[in-house]
Amino acid sequence: SFVLTQPPSVSVAPGQTARITCGGDNIGSKRVHWYQQRPGQAPVLVVYEDGDRPSGIPERFSGSNFGNTATLTISRVDAGDEADYYCQVWDGSADHYVFGTGTRVTVL
Amino acid sequence: DVQLVESGGGLVQPGGSLRLSCVGSGFTFSSYWMHWVRQDPRKGLEWISRINKDGSSTTYPESVKGRFTISRDNAQNTLFLQMHSLRAEDTAVYYCARELVVSGIVYFAMDVWGQGTTVTVSS
Repeated sequence: SFVLTQPPSVSVAPGQTARITCGGDNIGSKRVHWYQQRPGQAPVLVVYEDGDRPSGIPERFSGSNFGNTATLTISRVDAGDEADYYCQVWDGSADHYVFGTGTRVTVL
Repeated sequence: DVQLVESGGGLVQPGGSLRLSCVGSGFTFSSYWMHWVRQDPRKGLEWISRINKDGSSTTYPESVKGRFTISRDNAQNTLFLQMHSLRAEDTAVYYCARELVVSGIVYFAMDVWGQGTTVTVSS
């Protein structure tokens, strides 16, 4: 099955930019979605189709996807962005949905 | 408000069964594919099933295939997950989620999530 690998943790100072990677075999050929999960809460979709934002998600959240790595970028990070972030793709060959291993973002 | 509310979690012995429910409101439930996703704190998020709009098509990963069954009652705006032969490794928070559809296009992502219901498998 398709495997998505994320770094366990990313630390960033307030006001700086956080970049969270999601690695997978030729992931650039797939459409990647990203979820934010604050402690004790359900996941929230923050980016879909590599770089589109659902209604209500700030422009500070953006994404890219090329080759073997997709990236979620959070600009002007603040304390409210501290959360776990998961990437997700659809594996069309199996008709399965696959989540990444998750990255904890800590705001210093 | 668009909302999903799960129920039915609890403590069950290994080998036992449990049925989870998820009621949707604030949207046309019958127009959306629906999912179950679980979360073991040690393993992150794991997708475990999807059902199409009328319930005629379902899909599962190997980890639950043959033990779990997803179904729906569109008249009651309710999604179900019937779980059999439960194991300790099925212990998790179980979320229901709605498939993302924009302008009629399915995106293979999940845009609305419930708050989850906890299943604990232990003797």
